[in-house]
Amino acid sequence: DTAVSQTPKYLVTQMGNDKSIKCEQNLGHDTMYWYKQDSKKFLKIMFSYNNKELIINETVPNRFSPKSPDKAHLNLHINSLELGDSAVYFCASSQDSANYGYTFGSGTRLTVV
Amino acid sequence: GNSVTQMEGPVTLSEEAFLTINCTYTATGYPSLFWYVQYPGEGLQLLLKATKADDKGSNKGFEATYRKETTSFHLEKGSVQVSDSAVYFCALRGNTNAGKSTFGDGTTLTVKP
Repeated sequence: DTAVSQTPKYLVTQMGNDKSIKCEQNLGHDTMYWYKQDSKKFLKIMFSYNNKELIINETVPNRFSPKSPDKAHLNLHINSLELGDSAVYFCASSQDSANYGYTFGSGTRLTVV
Repeated sequence: GNSVTQMEGPVTLSEEAFLTINCTYTATGYPSLFWYVQYPGEGLQLLLKATKADDKGSNKGFEATYRKETTSFHLEKGSVQVSDSAVYFCALRGNTNAGKSTFGDGTTLTVKP
């Protein structure tokens, strides 16, 4: 199926640990994104890559590091996890034009204990 | 910068009621406008879009018209169903700022039988 798939769907980990979330899209889109959604459902963009190049890097702690090995993959690595990192993280992709909407993955619910 | 303001929720309606969720925006240039829907436990899905003034986007009985004079893109549905219960996000995407989308804060809709 054509989609944006991210793994894992759930991630429970202890404070101080390092974890990664993976994202892959097979839609042929040029641009991929990471968003954070908090408990009130507010969406905040974190990063965006276009053809493996970082184009958006919002004010995010440098414990968060994205990596895009190719334009179909965008991974998110988080070092030294904190309680406040608990949220749902969404990957999305899009064509590189304002006329196109985003296709979102189903999300990764991260819980830091 | 760009911004999107949505009607605050939560909104609770009875089945078959008329739905309006207000959305206004501020943007430079001529952005495209979108509505996304997020069902419980899922990622956002593109519901409809309009790419220029006076365009009407429609899907699954939902409609929204791009009104440049009032900078609005209100979502409407004539008769809601229980299955429409979800969080609705208004968004815009312009050609500036690396083509980043700006999302509203989301409006939670609950439809009761």
